[in-house]
Amino acid sequence: EPEVTQTPSHQVTQMGQEVILRCVPISNHLYFYWYRQILGQKVEFLVSFYNNEISEKSEIFDDQFSVERPDGSNFTLKIRSTKLEDSAMYFCASSSSPYEQYFGPGTRLTVT
Amino acid sequence: AQKITQTQPGMFVQEKEAVTLDCTYDTSDPSYGLFWYKQPSSGEMIFLIYQGSYDQQNATEGRYSLNFQKARKSANLVISASQLGDSAMYFCAMRVYSSASKIIFGSGTRLSIRP
Repeated sequence: EPEVTQTPSHQVTQMGQEVILRCVPISNHLYFYWYRQILGQKVEFLVSFYNNEISEKSEIFDDQFSVERPDGSNFTLKIRSTKLEDSAMYFCASSSSPYEQYFGPGTRLTVT
Repeated sequence: AQKITQTQPGMFVQEKEAVTLDCTYDTSDPSYGLFWYKQPSSGEMIFLIYQGSYDQQNATEGRYSLNFQKARKSANLVISASQLGDSAMYFCAMRVYSSASKIIFGSGTRLSIRP
């Protein structure tokens, strides 16, 4: 069964560094998303992406963040100048319809 | 504004019993979808079930069913014949279609199944 994959599974970085989180959505899906979950808290929407552009973003998704679909398969989230409070699980999701979003296994980002 | 409320932070259930996880939602949009996701201790988010606001029948997927009461704005998840592997965090979520894309999550219910 097709699934969303994410790499790396765990990323440790120092405050101020840039990180790129990678996702491979399900191949025939057209809508892509990033969410984050701070430990012990609810899952929060960051951004959605369709037709090579951002379709919606939350107030969390400020200039520190960017997304890109560099080729036909990858979808990346870049966090510039990471802060301690960026430590969280980051989930990528994809969908072909409004009826469901399939989530990847997540990347745990630890900023020290 | 849209909101999802899960009032049960944690539940303990005996194996093989049925369990109901509560979820209420708030939206003024007539077109929306309701979801339940399971998050085991390993951290991944597993899609369980979906209910559209115009669906006439309650959604079912194997042992999972969604008790959709539109007038009460509730979308409770029912798990029949619970198993030890059902122990996990469960999130209720909603998508309104005027918003185009994002899913809003509740705070979750941690379900623990006792042998």
